[in-house]
Amino acid sequence: SQKIEQNSEALNIQEGKTATLTCNYTNYSPAYLQWYRQDPGRGPVFLLLIRENEKEKRKERLKVTFDTTLKQSLFHITASQPADSATYLCAAMNNAGNMLTFGGGTRLMVKP
Amino acid sequence: NAGVTQTPKFRILKIGQSMTLQCAQDMNHNYMYWYRQDPGMGLKLIYYSVGAGITDKGEVPNGYNVSRSTTEDFPLRLELAAPSQTSVYFCASSYSTGAKTQYFGPGTRLLVL
Repeated sequence: SQKIEQNSEALNIQEGKTATLTCNYTNYSPAYLQWYRQDPGRGPVFLLLIRENEKEKRKERLKVTFDTTLKQSLFHITASQPADSATYLCAAMNNAGNMLTFGGGTRLMVKP
Repeated sequence: NAGVTQTPKFRILKIGQSMTLQCAQDMNHNYMYWYRQDPGMGLKLIYYSVGAGITDKGEVPNGYNVSRSTTEDFPLRLELAAPSQTSVYFCASSYSTGAKTQYFGPGTRLLVL
């Protein structure tokens, strides 16, 4: 079955450092990968989308890469701030194109 | 634009009771979705709809029902609530083309005792 996997362990980093989160997918080849941010008690909010023919996408301090050979996407936050502390979810459309499958999310804690 | 709204925010149900979780969107999205999220876990799709009058099962549909009589509204019905349905429920919507980036509501926290 199609699976999206993220590191379930929390990532703790110091303010100002670069945070790197990993998303791996198996048993399919999604045309897009999406990243969402979720704060406690709130719904996920869309951040970035990368297409399979794009190697890298940037938005302000955020960068996403998509490696179709490794079946992996990396999500980077540069110059991280305590306000970046949240859970980050990776998602990919299934082969039928009618459902997003979400990973379990990785919790990021940025310490001042 | 209110986006996606959900009511209620929180509800306690007794085992065997029924309730309807309301969801509405004002973005004229054709696609709408219901997810549940258990503590520390990812989102699991319960049901989705590609337009008024059309619904389909997701990954975990048992114990739930949906209807879609208008583009704006997508209520989720719980019949005979069970403790296993204790969760946070999120409604989302998206356009029908492209990557279908989803817009989420604030969630309904449900506790079944």
